[in-house]
Amino acid sequence: ETGVTQTPRHLVMGMTNKKSLKCEQHLGHNAMYWYKQSAKKPLELMFVYSLEERVENNSVPSRFSPECPNSSHLFLHLHTLQPEDSALYLCASSQNRDRGSRGYTFGSGTRLTVV
Amino acid sequence: EDQVTQSPEALRLQEGESSSLNCSYTVSGLRGLFWYRQDPGKGPEFLFTLYSAGEEKEKERLKATLTKKESFLHITAPKPEDSATYLCAVHRSSGSARQLTFGSGTQLTVLP
Repeated sequence: ETGVTQTPRHLVMGMTNKKSLKCEQHLGHNAMYWYKQSAKKPLELMFVYSLEERVENNSVPSRFSPECPNSSHLFLHLHTLQPEDSALYLCASSQNRDRGSRGYTFGSGTRLTVV
Repeated sequence: EDQVTQSPEALRLQEGESSSLNCSYTVSGLRGLFWYRQDPGKGPEFLFTLYSAGEEKEKERLKATLTKKESFLHITAPKPEDSATYLCAVHRSSGSARQLTFGSGTQLTVLP
């Protein structure tokens, strides 16, 4: 148990479906993140939510829509995805303004396959 | 733009054969360099944070070092359970949230 829980662990969806990924952290952190991990590529930052700001990677398509109702929960809403969106989607959390930091605590990820 | 390059992409070692992984970075205003370990099907797990050139951190068979342009992860007498992908990431001075830029990772296989 890492303190960051992602559900579901695996998801197969058609290109016309709508689904949501869920992330929950029990660490009292004040920032949460979505990253995309594709084979042989660096982790790609998609969205950041913190107390002071929301940051979006401008290259992320609008078919991905984040939602952060409170500091403990983060969602990624998916609709009309493409096969190239198949990847491991990682949620992470952190405590900002803390120099003695571990950076992020990651969840185990959701393996998404778009068919 | 921040850049993080890890080498080699893959490394196969015999048990007990020491080696080093490299992480070269270009960042404006480094606020921290992080090493993570990632096992298949799992999220990355924190190993070390380094903040300034000359700093070193150790944990069991792993030792991380930092210069102004690169970081090394030294693995001494590795065991098969050290097999994993090792990720390097940098955090630069900008914004309030801790945005990390990651390298592609080094996939380490330690053979018994």
